[in-house]
Amino acid sequence: DAGVIQSPRHEVTEMGQEVTLRCKPISGHDYLFWYRQTMMRGLELLIYFNNNVPIDDSGMPEDRFSAKMPNASFSTLKIQPSEPRDSAVYFCASSSLRTGGIDYGYTFGSGTRLTVV
Amino acid sequence: EDKVVQSPLSLVVHEGDTVTLNCSYEVTNFRSLLWYKQEKKAPTFLFMLTSSGIEKKSGRLSSILDKKELFSILNITATQTGDSAVYLCAVRLSGSARQLTFGSGTQLTVLP
Repeated sequence: DAGVIQSPRHEVTEMGQEVTLRCKPISGHDYLFWYRQTMMRGLELLIYFNNNVPIDDSGMPEDRFSAKMPNASFSTLKIQPSEPRDSAVYFCASSSLRTGGIDYGYTFGSGTRLTVV
Repeated sequence: EDKVVQSPLSLVVHEGDTVTLNCSYEVTNFRSLLWYKQEKKAPTFLFMLTSSGIEKKSGRLSSILDKKELFSILNITATQTGDSAVYLCAVRLSGSARQLTFGSGTQLTVLP
């Protein structure tokens, strides 16, 4: 298994532009999470999905952020318009309880480092 | 508000030293506590702890949970430069929610 795949690895954009981050979870995992990591705030949960349905988006900072999961193998996180304070590393993670009913935690993707100038 | 606090924030040791990293939590409906190691990329899973007093061990790393005092420790013996990383503690709550609440991490630097 290739693990959780995120793209792009790095993104540099100008303030005001739309940014789309992409994630492919591990096949068979039924939970998908988007996290943001900054030096100031650490790892923060933005939103998570179960079976492609958004369950909790209370961590989404504001209306400029939106996330979708059109199918079990793909999710996007969009920021429109982007601002310099959105600069962070954005991680996608997937998880499943189906492995013998034992929770081994998440598998994280390698992250997208976003810089908004 | 659920809270996970790690200490120290950073630690510098020499190879061969033993280190203890701390994680305390104040959450409702605790289910499990997880430790992750983060080098330059994504956090990688180390341990999951659900029961008090039962040590989890993997090589030179070990961890234990105290659900009465609401904390966990991660021990690393005979440290190596490859142990240099940020160590993250996270708590998962019971119920249908699956998200993790992370601490701010401990930056460990092991000098040769």
